[in-house]
Amino acid sequence: ELKVEQNPLFLSMQEGKNYTIYCNYSTTSDRLYWYRQDPGKSLESLFVLLSNGAVKQEGRLMASLDTKARLSTLHITAAVHDLSATYFCAVEGGAQKLVFGQGTRLTINP
Amino acid sequence: DTAVSQTPKYLVTQMGNDKSIKCEQNLGHDTMYWYKQDSKKFLKIMFSYNNKELIINETVPNRFSPKSPDKAHLNLHINSLELGDSAVYFCASSHKQGKTEAFFGQGTRLTVV
Repeated sequence: ELKVEQNPLFLSMQEGKNYTIYCNYSTTSDRLYWYRQDPGKSLESLFVLLSNGAVKQEGRLMASLDTKARLSTLHITAAVHDLSATYFCAVEGGAQKLVFGQGTRLTINP
Repeated sequence: DTAVSQTPKYLVTQMGNDKSIKCEQNLGHDTMYWYKQDSKKFLKIMFSYNNKELIINETVPNRFSPKSPDKAHLNLHINSLELGDSAVYFCASSHKQGKTEAFFGQGTRLTVV
């Protein structure tokens, strides 16, 4: 059974700092997704990573995928308060079933 | 226009009642899902339908019955509601063949009292 684990689960950081969220998964998959969820809101798609070595960047966020290590990272550069949210990675576990990590609750303090 | 829309957004009901949540997508996607998000924000798939056909049924109590009248709609009916059913239920859709992400509705916050 596919397991997806994120760490850290909680992250409090200062504006202007850099940090990385890690997403490990237990079985082979070549599709990994990152989502953002604001409190009380829906999930917003951030990145779709479809192959080994894929790297995507949007603003201060950059995501990468290493399928051999079964690891994806979401790197935050020079964090700003607006990036405070919960970030989820999700891995396709067959039959288009997305298996989600536990989520990383990111709080960015001024 | 909202791509994936669910109704209602909030639902408060007593134990033992029966309730339904409706979902519609206007993205032309083939596949629709129901996910449950518990109080710890953990998201778990409940059901998946492809072109009105049930594909995934993840160990969900029989009290939960999805219905897909056409590929743009996927409704969730819940019988005999229990306190533990309180959660946020998200509908989502995606392309079957395409390598694209799932798009989520705004969620339905169900509170059973």
